[in-house]
Amino acid sequence: AQTVTQSQPEMSVQEAETVTLSCTYDTSESDYYLFWYKQPPSRQMILVIRQEAYKQQNATENRFSVNFQKAAKSFSLKISDSQLGDAAMYFCAYRSPSPHAGNMLTFGGGTRLMVKP
Amino acid sequence: EPEVTQTPSHQVTQMGQEVILRCVPISNHLYFYWYRQILGQKVEFLVSFYNNEISEKSEIFDDQFSVERPDGSNFTLKIRSTKLEDSAMYFCATSEAGALWTQYFGPGTRLLVL
Repeated sequence: AQTVTQSQPEMSVQEAETVTLSCTYDTSESDYYLFWYKQPPSRQMILVIRQEAYKQQNATENRFSVNFQKAAKSFSLKISDSQLGDAAMYFCAYRSPSPHAGNMLTFGGGTRLMVKP
Repeated sequence: EPEVTQTPSHQVTQMGQEVILRCVPISNHLYFYWYRQILGQKVEFLVSFYNNEISEKSEIFDDQFSVERPDGSNFTLKIRSTKLEDSAMYFCATSEAGALWTQYFGPGTRLLVL
C-alpha cells in the first residue's frame, strides 16, 4: 500500500517570502499522480497543483510550483511571494493509476502553514 | 466555476441514529467519492462509485455505510447506526471521465454524534 508522509506539522513564513513544504511517499508503482491540496479554515479542500509521475518537468501554477524528485520519492511544494490568504492546512496526496485502486487518494498528515504579516 | 455542493453543512445526531449526507456533483462528472477527516487527523478514503456501483472501498466502509445515487443528481452516503467515532468531517469529491486524475471536493459536512 502507498503511504504519504509530511514531516512538517507546522511551517511559518513572512508575507512576500518563499516557503517550501515537504512531502515524501512510498510506492512500488512507476506511474502515478501527486497532488497538493489546500484546506483553509473553511475546511473545503482546494486543489493547488498536480504532477504526473511520467512528466519530468515540474508543475507550476502561478506562485505555486513543485520539486518532484521521482528517484527520491519526494514531492515538495514551493509557495513564492506568500500572501495572508495562503495560510491554511496543506495536504500532499497520491493517486495510483491502477484501475483496481478506484481512483482513491492517499493523503499525508498535513502541514499547517502560517503567514506572518 | 462549477462546484461540488454538500448538505447539510453541519449535522448533530444521537448515537444509533441513521444519517444521510448528500452531495451534488459537478454536472458532467461521473466518478464520485467519499472521504472523511476525524478532527486533527488525516483525510481518509471511504468509497468510490461509478456507474451505480462501488468501485473501491476502504476498511472503514463497513456494513453500516452505504452509498447510492437515487435520482441521477444527488450522491448520498448513509450511515445506518451512528457511533461516537463516526464524528468527523465528511467530504464528497467528484471527477470527470476524461480527467480522473483530478478530484474536486465539496465543502464537507461536519457530523457530530452524541
